[in-house]
Amino acid sequence: NAGVTQTPKFRILKIGQSMTLQCTQDMNHNYMYWYRQDPGMGLKLIYYSVGAGITDKGEVPNGYNVSRSTTEDFPLRLELAAPSQTSVYFCASSYSGDGYTFGSGTRLTVV
Amino acid sequence: DQQVKQNSPSLSVQEGRISILNCDYTNSMFDYFLWYKKYPAEGPTFLISISSIKDKNEDGRFTVFLNKSAKHLSLHIVPSQPGDSAVYFCAAVSGNTGKLIFGQGTTLQVKP
Repeated sequence: NAGVTQTPKFRILKIGQSMTLQCTQDMNHNYMYWYRQDPGMGLKLIYYSVGAGITDKGEVPNGYNVSRSTTEDFPLRLELAAPSQTSVYFCASSYSGDGYTFGSGTRLTVV
Repeated sequence: DQQVKQNSPSLSVQEGRISILNCDYTNSMFDYFLWYKKYPAEGPTFLISISSIKDKNEDGRFTVFLNKSAKHLSLHIVPSQPGDSAVYFCAAVSGNTGKLIFGQGTTLQVKP
């Protein structure tokens, strides 16, 4: 009964470093999403995918990349970390585009 | 350009009273709205939704009202309980790929 699993839960990066935020779901959901939440702000969509092999940009895609080689996994890649990418990142999935299940988040600090 | 707005960052109510959380939107093409609840260090969890063909949806202590002409929706919690203390996000579905546009959130504190 795992749902959506995100790793790591916390990470501190130095400016210019790269990392991959992992997201896995075991519900056979077609739709997957990456959001970021900044203090006092709502969640902003970074990238989304409607199925394996298909990805598309959301509202704030700059500085990020994604891939969707399997239904289960939707990793988010930061290539050159910047302080503006300090945020809490949430992965979510849904079966038909509604009724999201969110992961518990990854808190990223770029220093 | 905030398409979904929650203008009250915080709300404090007494246990047993009604909590009313408000949300406004600008895009008349939105036709499905959701409320999510978020506790610290957890992901948001789905609370209740409403389609634009309805003006009210009720689930236990939670009721969502939609006023399409005013582009306004509200979440009523009656009676409020201390366990309801959390951040509440209003969201609208954009397009047919399930993308959600979120409001900024309202932090609800229910005092015993």
